[in-house]
Amino acid sequence: GENVEQHPSTLSVQEGDSAVIKCTYSDSASNYFPWYKQELGKRPQLIIDIRSNVGEKKDQRIAVTLNKTAKHFSLHITETQPEDSAVYFCAANLKGNNRLAFGKGNQVVVIP
Amino acid sequence: GAVVSQHPSWVICKSGTSVKIECRSLDFQATTMFWYRQFPKQSLMLMATSNEGSKATYEQGVEKDKFLINHASLTLSTLTVTSAHPEDSSFYICSASPSGGQGGDSPLHFGNGTRLTVT
Repeated sequence: GENVEQHPSTLSVQEGDSAVIKCTYSDSASNYFPWYKQELGKRPQLIIDIRSNVGEKKDQRIAVTLNKTAKHFSLHITETQPEDSAVYFCAANLKGNNRLAFGKGNQVVVIP
Repeated sequence: GAVVSQHPSWVICKSGTSVKIECRSLDFQATTMFWYRQFPKQSLMLMATSNEGSKATYEQGVEKDKFLINHASLTLSTLTVTSAHPEDSSFYICSASPSGGQGGDSPLHFGNGTRLTVT
């Protein structure tokens, strides 16, 4: 199928700790995996993406890792801050029809 | 770069009326735009793909006669919710990519969304 599954659905972390969100995908042809952050009532914002030719990508406190064999990729947020509190969506492209399939989202709550 | 603008940000309408939402790519041309619907605390559900100069492609279960899409130029797509009912109340978001698709050749960028409330 075209499923992208995201776990856990809700994650609470203490400020300063790390947060990890995992996603799995089913389309073996997928080669592009973006992560979006959506604050309440606002648009999803692209925060980082990774392509299948690399296993890890980092941008300041945010990193994404990809395991193509296992078909899963993860978002890592280090030194979490209250402004990191949001819903995070993972996605994978579906090569057959040039679309993105989104996960159901993960609510991250950073406790001050 | 790659800014997508959506208007209006919110709208309240009476049941039975129609509402038009505009989506514009401000600094790039978009032959293809995408319309999503998002219910509270849920994911983004793709409704349809808007194609410049041709008919939109609707996802399964989305009524094309109810959600009219027009993509008359390379920078503008409109979604019209016709004969709106309370169950149409939702957050509608458009998106576009400079590459024209969602395959990852260039990132997908979202409009600011439109909160529709039908009374």
